Amino acid sequence: NAGVTQTPKFRVLKTGQSMTLLCAQDMNHEYMYWYRQDPGMGLRLIHYSVGEGTTAKGEVPDGYNVSRLKKQNFLLGLESAAPSQTSVYFCASSYLRKDLRTDTQYFGPGTRLTVL
Amino acid sequence: ELKVEQNPLFLSMQEGKNYTIYCNYSTTSDRLYWYRQDPGKSLESLFVLLSNGAVKQEGRLMASLDTKARLSTLHITAAVHDLSATYFCATSRGGGGADGLTFGKGTHLIIQP
Repeated sequence: NAGVTQTPKFRVLKTGQSMTLLCAQDMNHEYMYWYRQDPGMGLRLIHYSVGEGTTAKGEVPDGYNVSRLKKQNFLLGLESAAPSQTSVYFCASSYLRKDLRTDTQYFGPGTRLTVL
Repeated sequence: ELKVEQNPLFLSMQEGKNYTIYCNYSTTSDRLYWYRQDPGKSLESLFVLLSNGAVKQEGRLMASLDTKARLSTLHITAAVHDLSATYFCATSRGGGGADGLTFGKGTHLIIQP
């Protein structure tokens, strides 16, 4: 199993450009997440999904959109990139255990995005 | 608003020494996660603590959870250089844990020979 994969690994954008980050997982997990990591800030939740076709806002959703058309994929879009969105983006997935409590989250390798 | 605070944020210690990282969180939660991150890498799950009084150990690391005090600790015994990394604690944002995690800022640990 590849686990959680992210595409691309690196990207440089100019202010105002758009792009989509792709996250894919092959573990049949129900739940998927997008986080951003900035120096000294830990990880902050952008958006998440508890199932195919559903999405919800996290802690810092402004400037981002997401879609989960297939269970295994979770897309993060930046419509008009800004320098404040320079960050490392991590995707994660998790599942519901038999005791109805979610397990730990499994993280992808990250995408390093620079907005000039 | 849920807040997760770790201390210390930076720790330099010598091999062979013991130390504890503390993780406090601000609202009621019955689950706590610890992750490790090496420079330029992703996050690796270390421990999942799902009940009050839970204690888990893996090698030189031991984690515990006190939900009444809203406190988790990560104890390092006889530190070795390979444990140098950034350690994050996190707790669930809401009931059930499905709606994502709130992370502490991380403890950057350097273990010197």
